[in-house]
Amino acid sequence: DQQVKQNSPSLSVQEGRISILNCDYTNSMFDYFLWYKKYPAEGPTFLISISSIKDKNEDGRFTVFLNKSAKHLSLHIVPSQPGDSAVYFCAGRGGTSYGKLTFGQGTILTVHP
Amino acid sequence: DAGVIQSPRHEVTEMGQEVTLRCKLISGHNSLFWYRQTMMRGLELLIYFNNNVPIDDSGMPEDRFSAKMPNASFSTLKIQPSEPRDSAVYFCASSLGDRGFEQYFGPGTRLTVT
Repeated sequence: DQQVKQNSPSLSVQEGRISILNCDYTNSMFDYFLWYKKYPAEGPTFLISISSIKDKNEDGRFTVFLNKSAKHLSLHIVPSQPGDSAVYFCAGRGGTSYGKLTFGQGTILTVHP
Repeated sequence: DAGVIQSPRHEVTEMGQEVTLRCKLISGHNSLFWYRQTMMRGLELLIYFNNNVPIDDSGMPEDRFSAKMPNASFSTLKIQPSEPRDSAVYFCASSLGDRGFEQYFGPGTRLTVT
């Protein structure tokens, strides 16, 4: 049972343009959503989060949008830079266990110069 | 300040052998998470501890897998006997508190079972 799904395995974007990474979830008990970024041969690093009671959170070039009725969230990166090329994971917190993060499969973002 | 430390970084073993993965938490953190990453399933939580106590082990695949925290700063994940389908990258992560927030991941151990 995949509670968090990232249906696009990969995304390719030109430098300077907007990157939009999508994530769908099924568990209504998640109280926070988080995005992590992962470079090859490294562990994921925390990027940005959003509470389930908000619909938008912004941090510099990164904005996360949450649509609770559609059980959908997205991460916008504007403008995209080659250094943003990485695997992006979305995760929902909570559900069956308070501190548990449930991750999606990840989306590989490639930003071309 | 040192981050989460995992060893070994790479492990190649034969089917049936015992494998032990090790993790040192960031100093002061009290929650520890073990994950497995595969192409098909992405990042799966195997087990997590808070203050050395296992809180959720529902992700542990089967009895061949076991995890311990012998002290507040160290954890092991053991697979015995190992099977080829266990081949994956295993990450541990630590955080402060039990809110599961902003977890700090180690670099991972790439396990190959032949």
